[in-house]
Amino acid sequence: DQQVKQNSPSLSVQEGRISILNCDYTNSMFDYFLWYKKYPAEGPTFLISISSIKDKNEDGRFTVFLNKSAKHLSLHIVPSQPGDSAVYFCAASYLTTGNQFYFGTGTSLTVIP
Amino acid sequence: GAVVSQHPSRVICKSGTSVKIECRSLDFQATTMFWYRQFPKQSLMLMATSNEGSKATYEQGVEKDKFLINHASLTLSTLTVTSAHPEDSSFYICSARIVGSYNSPLHFGNGTRLTVT
Repeated sequence: DQQVKQNSPSLSVQEGRISILNCDYTNSMFDYFLWYKKYPAEGPTFLISISSIKDKNEDGRFTVFLNKSAKHLSLHIVPSQPGDSAVYFCAASYLTTGNQFYFGTGTSLTVIP
Repeated sequence: GAVVSQHPSRVICKSGTSVKIECRSLDFQATTMFWYRQFPKQSLMLMATSNEGSKATYEQGVEKDKFLINHASLTLSTLTVTSAHPEDSSFYICSARIVGSYNSPLHFGNGTRLTVT
């Protein structure tokens, strides 16, 4: 049973515009959420995280929004750059019990120059 | 900081042989490391949780006798794929968290592409 879902397998955006990647989860007990970026044949690289006590976290061009009532989070990239082209995974976990991270199936982002 | 090194990055082996993959945390200690497997166009699937000084915890459906995990120190975990078969061909990725950190992310190695012929 997929507890973390990314329903859009791919997304194309023009350079300079906003990229919005979406993620839904089913388990309301998750309290820690993360986004990872992955290039082919490489391991995922951590981008940004948010705990459930917040609804927004920003780091440079990357902002993560969390809507707990909708069990939905999104990653906004502004402005999008060609180097952002990669597969993006969202993940969810439990802060207190720790170690199990649940990943979505990924969204492949292509930023068109 | 928080660099995880995985070796080898790519390995090709013959069916029936065993392959060892190493995962090292270079600048932090990790009592727990995690081994993931990724099939093409699919998500990262947790295979097992590697605990320093004790037995690994395997996820349901993962054969512990086929995927041997050893976590001998706070900076090294190894995954050995024993008697490999073509269906074991996949991308294996290890990850670790900083010891004692409350809300820290997983840091991943660069993965190992295993091809069994």
